Amino acid sequence: GAVVSQHPSWVICKSGTSVKIECRSLDFQATTMFWYRQFPKQSLMLMATSNEGSKATYEQGVEKDKFLINHASLTLSTLTVTSAHPEDSSFYICSARDVEKSSYEQYFGPGTRLTVT
Amino acid sequence: GDSVTQMEGPVTLSEEAFLTINCTYTATGYPSLFWYVQYPGEGLQLLLKATKADDKGSNKGFEATYRKETTSFHLEKGSVQVSDSAVYFCALEGYQAGTALIFGKGTTLSVSS
Repeated sequence: GAVVSQHPSWVICKSGTSVKIECRSLDFQATTMFWYRQFPKQSLMLMATSNEGSKATYEQGVEKDKFLINHASLTLSTLTVTSAHPEDSSFYICSARDVEKSSYEQYFGPGTRLTVT
Repeated sequence: GDSVTQMEGPVTLSEEAFLTINCTYTATGYPSLFWYVQYPGEGLQLLLKATKADDKGSNKGFEATYRKETTSFHLEKGSVQVSDSAVYFCALEGYQAGTALIFGKGTTLSVSS
């Protein structure tokens, strides 16, 4: 089946630094990838929609200058948390859709746990 | 806007008990409906789905029927196992295919032997 990987799986960084999270579709091409954020014991909240070759579409309330998204190829999207602060600590999850399939299924990465100290 | 409401957890059951996790939705048009499962330390996995009214999705003994009249998609399993312990998320995709999923808050299921 389709596999989506994320790297790193967990990261600890100091306040004020930037962190890049990668999301890769390993065996399929993904025109669209989605970035979600999950707080402890809560649901996944959509942050942005990443489209290959174009600017990401951010959800209301998500700072686009803080959460930089780049989707440079059909298999890779990156999320960079700039000038991270403790309140950015969270579980970040990406998902991707296979461009070759007409089904609605999205494939999820295993998530990246970010802790900002 | 579109939304998903699922029952609060945690749900604690003994092995072989019957499971129901309620899920209702609000959406424009005819959304596709999903149940995802997240095992401890792992990413979300699609459990089952239904794309139109009266469809029944099923997988691994779990079932859910798309009920348009009650805007519901309740998850059921006749006999749970310890290995079913996980967080279950109900989700919908709006009528415009390819849009992001909207998730419920998740329900934690704990099954003891």
